[in-house]
Amino acid sequence: SQTIHQWPATLVQPVGSPLSLECTVEGTSNPNLYWYRQAAGRGLQLLFYSVGIGQISSEVPQNLSASRPQDRQFILSSKKLLLSDSGFYLCAWSLDRHYGYTFGSGTRLTVV
Amino acid sequence: GQQLNQSPQSMFIQEGEDVSMNCTSSSIFNTWLWYKQDPGEGPVLLIALYKAGELTSNGRLTAQFGITRKDSFLNISASIPSDVGIYFCAGRGNQGGKLIFGQGTELSVKP
Repeated sequence: SQTIHQWPATLVQPVGSPLSLECTVEGTSNPNLYWYRQAAGRGLQLLFYSVGIGQISSEVPQNLSASRPQDRQFILSSKKLLLSDSGFYLCAWSLDRHYGYTFGSGTRLTVV
Repeated sequence: GQQLNQSPQSMFIQEGEDVSMNCTSSSIFNTWLWYKQDPGEGPVLLIALYKAGELTSNGRLTAQFGITRKDSFLNISASIPSDVGIYFCAGRGNQGGKLIFGQGTELSVKP
């Protein structure tokens, strides 16, 4: 069966520090991968998605970037965190564009 | 772009009551999904709908794909405290592509 792993679960980082959040999927190949951010207002904001290795689409201009160095690995990064980067970050995968998404358990990021 | 309007934004109900929430779209969708998010966790898929008019149940949950293909409904019968959380609808248009998510309905259940 397929599983999605996301870590760390919580993170407290100072303003200006770098960020690296990792997401991996097991039990499938060539998944579509997604990064979402959920602010306190609770809606899900799509940040990045990827349909293959090295293929990244950005939905919202921001202080973050994403990379997909391997088929089942998706990384969210920042060189210098801002206070506004705080939030709940969710990784998700889908088999292809016709299926629903399966979400990871999320990372709670607090920038101080 | 495509948008989903989900209502209500929040609900406060007594244990044992039935719950209804819905989503409407400005355009036709060919897939409707309903997710539940427990506090501090990622959303989990509850029900998937792929045909207009389709009515699908998952325990006490029932969801319907609207006949116009522009709306969907989720009903929860006889609510219990563990139903607490945020419920999201999500839809996808005819061309496939990314899911569009509603803004969520936050459900609180008083024992």
